[in-house]
Amino acid sequence: NAGVTQTPKFQVLKTGQSMTLQCAQDMNHEYMSWYRQDPGMGLRLIHYSVGAGITDQGEVPNGYNVSRSTTEDFPLRLLSAAPSQTSVYFCASSYSRGSDTQYFGPGTRLTVL
Amino acid sequence: DAKTTQPNSMESNEEEPVHLPCNHSTISGTDYIHWYRQLPSQGPEYVIHGLTSNVNNRMASLAIAEDRKSSTLILHRATLRDAAVYYCILRALGGTSYGKLTFGQGTILTVHP
Repeated sequence: NAGVTQTPKFQVLKTGQSMTLQCAQDMNHEYMSWYRQDPGMGLRLIHYSVGAGITDQGEVPNGYNVSRSTTEDFPLRLLSAAPSQTSVYFCASSYSRGSDTQYFGPGTRLTVL
Repeated sequence: DAKTTQPNSMESNEEEPVHLPCNHSTISGTDYIHWYRQLPSQGPEYVIHGLTSNVNNRMASLAIAEDRKSSTLILHRATLRDAAVYYCILRALGGTSYGKLTFGQGTILTVHP
């Protein structure tokens, strides 16, 4: 199993540009989520999904959209990037919402100029 | 959400035991105590979790106070590869925060050769 994969590893955007961060898992996990991590801080939950076709907002959802058309993929879209979205983004998955263990991807480092 | 308090940093020598404390005085009866760690430039990794009883696994041990208001993650023999940020997290298995992981700032563990 590849586990949780994220692409790209690094990305630089200009203010106002849009892009999609990709996240995929091959463990048949129902629960997937996106976090952002800013310097010196813990991770904050952006959006999550409990299964295909179902998404919900986390702690810091503004400026981000998500969809879940398949069990495997959970892309995160930035419609109009802002410097405040400069961060490291982590995707995570688990068998279910109540599972003991969440598996995290390697992260995408995003810089918005 | 119930919060946790951890020291900002701790140091240890290689091959010695490490005790990482965590206070969670507002823990509720349905909160599990989870520990994750984040190695440099990687996503968080599950370490261990528990509810009331002490727990052991191949990575670490978790000692939980009788009143559940504090816990200690124990690394029995620290190695250089254990240098990471360690997060103590209360994970609700009920209510609106069901299943969510809320990360604090964690404890930076430095291991000296």
